[in-house]
Amino acid sequence: QITLKESGPTLVKPTQTLTLTCTFSGFSLSTSGVGVGWIRQPPGKALEWLALIYWDDDKRYSPSLKSRLTITKDTSKNQVVLTMTNMDPVDTATYYCAHRRIWFGELPFDYWGQGTLVTVSS
Amino acid sequence: DIQMTQSPSSLSASVGDRVTITCRASQGISNYLAWYQQKPGKVPKLLIYAASTLQSGVPSRFSGSGSGTDFTLTISSLQPEDVATYYCQKYNSAPEITFGQGTRLEIK
Repeated sequence: QITLKESGPTLVKPTQTLTLTCTFSGFSLSTSGVGVGWIRQPPGKALEWLALIYWDDDKRYSPSLKSRLTITKDTSKNQVVLTMTNMDPVDTATYYCAHRRIWFGELPFDYWGQGTLVTVSS
Repeated sequence: DIQMTQSPSSLSASVGDRVTITCRASQGISNYLAWYQQKPGKVPKLLIYAASTLQSGVPSRFSGSGSGTDFTLTISSLQPEDVATYYCQKYNSAPEITFGQGTRLEIK
């Protein structure tokens, strides 16, 4: 079955760069149509999409955060890495990775990781 | 950018009630609309995609409709386990993926 798990620091300081890793199983990012995305949720607030990478290395970013985000994949390790630069306390959130695929068009995120809470504080 | 606006922001209903949540897109999005359910402290769960297609394993009391800019999520008979926050999502990534602000559903 498909599973995803996020890992990374729980606490980062303002201005630092955050690096999060999504390790998954049950699918391959070398399979045509498969993608992995990142979504975050500040405490008590709504979901916000951050970035997405597809099997063919097509990358999509939230326009409002594009300058701070980089998404990469390591197919051999079944991992997707998200980096976010210049962290600020407003970036405190639970960060999720999630699976999606293309089948006669894009489909939504259907499998999600458990999420990892990242706090930005000095 | 395309904004997704849900209404109401919160609602309270009785067990057995028919509940409707609406989602409006600021521009037409065809049927690239999904609904998620997020129970307190849990991961979002996909309920519906393509505006009206029920995800496998989701109870049939959930249904979705709409196309273009106006969409609805309906729970035909509210159950206690349906207490959650519901989010709509424009899920095609061109130019971006967008979530609504959420609708918190409680039992009266």
